[in-house]
Amino acid sequence: DTGVSQDPRHKITKRGQNVTFRCDPISEHNRLYWYRQTLGQGPEFLTYFQNEAQLEKSRLLSDRFSAERPKGSFSTLEIQRTEQGDSAMYLCASSWDRDRVRETQYFGPGTRLLVL
Amino acid sequence: LAKTTQPISMDSYEGQEVNITCSHNNIATNDYITWYQQFPSQGPRFIIQGYKTKVTNEVASLFIPADRKSSTLSLPRVSLSDTAVYYCLVGSGGGADGLTFGKGTHLIIQP
Repeated sequence: DTGVSQDPRHKITKRGQNVTFRCDPISEHNRLYWYRQTLGQGPEFLTYFQNEAQLEKSRLLSDRFSAERPKGSFSTLEIQRTEQGDSAMYLCASSWDRDRVRETQYFGPGTRLLVL
Repeated sequence: LAKTTQPISMDSYEGQEVNITCSHNNIATNDYITWYQQFPSQGPRFIIQGYKTKVTNEVASLFIPADRKSSTLSLPRVSLSDTAVYYCLVGSGGGADGLTFGKGTHLIIQP
């Protein structure tokens, strides 16, 4: 399977703990996105990488959130001092910008986070 | 980014054709119309994308009138496995703005 993969698929943690999620994009894709989705809502954009550079961060991304994409390959999303409001599905997507006007994003299965 | 309006939910039966219409009155000249499908506990999956007139692939058809202020996703002969949430998006596809999803249309297919 050469699609986008995410690890772990599920994470349960206690409030105040730190958690880290990993995303492996489709290998030839140079763009990588993180989204958050809560129950009954569509995904909400969090941040975006072009290769290894983080080019945009949503105002939804508080200081407790940090994302990296070393060497422009996989990416990690870390949440520090988790809060119950962080409980959500965290989705990763990747794309190739060779035709920017018609960019299509391919999503991973998501990591479901539950903060107790 | 242009906002979209689509029905919150729809019901249909196996074997029927389902049409989901999306309104996007403020679509910009450079915007494309893209539809995604999402099953529970999975990430959204790209279905179809178009700019004007009609686009067809192995999964669906997309009808876009000349004024591009709306679009209709057509699913031929649906099955139970087509039960999912369908999102209509307009925009240039991503970049620094990401994708803007609404609440989508929850399509329920009954036997």
